[in-house]
Amino acid sequence: AQSVSQHNHHVILSEAASLELGCNYSYGGTVNLFWYVQYPGQHLQLLLKYFSGDPLVKGIKGFEAEFIKSKFSFNLRKPSVQWSDTAEYFCAVNAFFSSNTGKLIFGQGTTLQVKP
Amino acid sequence: DGGITQSPKYLFRKEGQNVTLSCEQNLNHDAMYWYRQDPGQGLRLIYYSQIVNDFQKGDIAEGYSVSREKKESFPLTVTSAQKNPTAFYLCATSARGDHEQFFGPGTRLTVL
Repeated sequence: AQSVSQHNHHVILSEAASLELGCNYSYGGTVNLFWYVQYPGQHLQLLLKYFSGDPLVKGIKGFEAEFIKSKFSFNLRKPSVQWSDTAEYFCAVNAFFSSNTGKLIFGQGTTLQVKP
Repeated sequence: DGGITQSPKYLFRKEGQNVTLSCEQNLNHDAMYWYRQDPGQGLRLIYYSQIVNDFQKGDIAEGYSVSREKKESFPLTVTSAQKNPTAFYLCATSARGDHEQFFGPGTRLTVL
């Protein structure tokens, strides 16, 4: 069965530190890749997405992610985190099956805590 | 104001009672989804619907039921058969041909 794995469950960083959250998926076919963020008390919202083209994707609030097909990975990065980045982050994969409906499969989530 | 509405925000029920969670959207999206979010497990798909009057089971459909009589609405019923119903429930939508999903604010259900 297809799955998505996020390596870090809870990350604590100081402001200005660099961030990298790992995401790996298990599907060899065509995929769309997403990172969603859930700030405390807010809706789940899209940070960035990869459908095709340049594997380095830039999203909102200074986040970026790199799709490495050979490693089945889509890691999220930010050079310098802020206290306001404290949130839960979810990696998601939309795998295309023969029916082409594409279900969204989520990782377990990573809680990021940024200390001021 | 376009968006997805889920009501209520918090819901309490006694064990053994069925409860229906509301999801309404005015984005004119064809597809609607229900997820369950539990700590450390991410989001798991319960049911989804790509068009009116049609829906499919997701990965954890047991103990849940849905209907899709209108494009705007996709209510989820948590039945007494659901063994562990206390969770945060999220509704999402997507446009035809687009695989980005948009999420509602969620309903936190607590079964006492």
